[in-house]
Amino acid sequence: GAVVSQHPSRVICKSGTSVKIECRSLDFQATTMFWYRQFPKQSLMLMATSNEGSKATYEQGVEKDKFLINHASLTLSTLTVTSAHPEDSSFYICSARDQRGAGELFFGEGSRLTVL
Amino acid sequence: QKEVEQDPGPLSVPEGAIVSLNCTYSNSAFQYFMWYRQYSRKGPELLMYTYSSGNKEDGRFTAQVDKSSKYISLFIRDSQPSDSATYLCAMTTSNSGYALNFGKGTSLLVTP
Repeated sequence: GAVVSQHPSRVICKSGTSVKIECRSLDFQATTMFWYRQFPKQSLMLMATSNEGSKATYEQGVEKDKFLINHASLTLSTLTVTSAHPEDSSFYICSARDQRGAGELFFGEGSRLTVL
Repeated sequence: QKEVEQDPGPLSVPEGAIVSLNCTYSNSAFQYFMWYRQYSRKGPELLMYTYSSGNKEDGRFTAQVDKSSKYISLFIRDSQPSDSATYLCAMTTSNSGYALNFGKGTSLLVTP
């Protein structure tokens, strides 16, 4: 099946620093990628939809200046958490839509961010 | 009311049992229905993907969609301890750009 790679899988940073998370579709092109956030024992909440070559669309309540999304190519989207604070600590997961066939959605392994 | 409702469990069954997992939804525009399996501290893994009503079978897994009742199910036959995970239903429509709406997930434990 299609593979989505997410890196890093785990990151610990100090409060006030910025952290970049990469999401790559390894064997397919994805014009659209999605970024989700998951708190412990909670479901995934959509943060933003990332479209290749254009600005991301953010969900209500998600600060676009804090969570910078760049989708520079058909296989790579990045999420940068700027000036991270402890409340930003969470599990961030990307997904990419395979344009081929039925357009299935595949997820990365997730990135666990801990802000001290 | 959330758009997708799913009983969080936990659900505990003995090895070999048939497991039934369910979700209900309120948005009749949903067209695509998915089941994901998520192990602890891992990203969700796509198990089944269906479009519109009907059944779809893949090995020990059967996905069922009843659009008239706004109800979807995932059946696991001959359950194994390795099936122990959280199972998330998700659904979407082309109108939303294929962004997924998730249930809360059902925690399943299959005991040897």
